[in-house]
Amino acid sequence: SQKIEQNSEALNIQEGKTATLTCNYTNYSPAYLQWYRQDPGRGPVFLLLIRENEKEKRKERLKVTFDTTLKQSLFHITASQPADSATYLCALGGMDSSYKLIFGSGTRLLVRP
Amino acid sequence: GAVVSQHPSRVICKSGTSVKIECRSLDFQATTMFWYRQFPKQSLMLMATSNEGSKATYEQGVEKDKFLINHASLTLSTLTVTSAHPEDSSFYICSARDGGVSNSPLHFGNGTRLTVT
Repeated sequence: SQKIEQNSEALNIQEGKTATLTCNYTNYSPAYLQWYRQDPGRGPVFLLLIRENEKEKRKERLKVTFDTTLKQSLFHITASQPADSATYLCALGGMDSSYKLIFGSGTRLLVRP
Repeated sequence: GAVVSQHPSRVICKSGTSVKIECRSLDFQATTMFWYRQFPKQSLMLMATSNEGSKATYEQGVEKDKFLINHASLTLSTLTVTSAHPEDSSFYICSARDGGVSNSPLHFGNGTRLTVT
C-alpha cells in the first residue's frame, strides 16, 4: 500500500542545535517533494520544494535532501530557535497528471531555549 | 504574497444542519482549489479538487452529496457540509496555487474548526 511516514513522536532539541526530520515513502513515485510548516490551529505554510532530479536544496537555515533510491527526504534546520517549534509536513506531488499533493502526518519539533 | 482567506474560522452546529465554508484567493486567481480535512495529530487528507466552472473531483471514499463543492468564480470556492453529524467534526482547510506550474506551492487558508453537537 502507499504510505508516507514521518516520525509521529515529537523531536525535542536544544536551541542552537540542528534539527533533522525524516520523510519516508513507499509505493509512490513523486516528481517533487515539498515541506510545509504548520502551527496549531493554522493552515500549513510552504517552506521548500525539491525536484526528483535534485539532491539538495537550501534556503537560509533550512536544507532539504531527496533520495529517490532510498525513497526518503531529510529536512534540516540549523542553529534552531524556539520560534522554529511547530509541526513540519512533507508532501509528495507529481505522481500523475493531476496537481494533487499528498501529505505525511507531520513531525512536531520542540526547540528548548 | 499570495493569500487565501477562509471563513468562518470556527463553527458549531447542531446535528442535521448544513454548514457552508468559504475559501477566497485574495490577490490571485485560482482555477483550481483543494479541500483538505485534518483530524488531530493526523495528516491532511485530500477530500476534493475544486475546479472553476466545472464539477469538483472527489477522492475515493468522500461522499460528494454530503460535501458539496461550488467553485463559481476564479477567487471563490465553497464547501457545504450537508446534514452534518458529530463524526463530521474536524478541521477543514482549503488551498490554492498561484500560478499554473504543477509544483508551485500551495497557499492555505487558516482552516475552519467544525464542531457538530
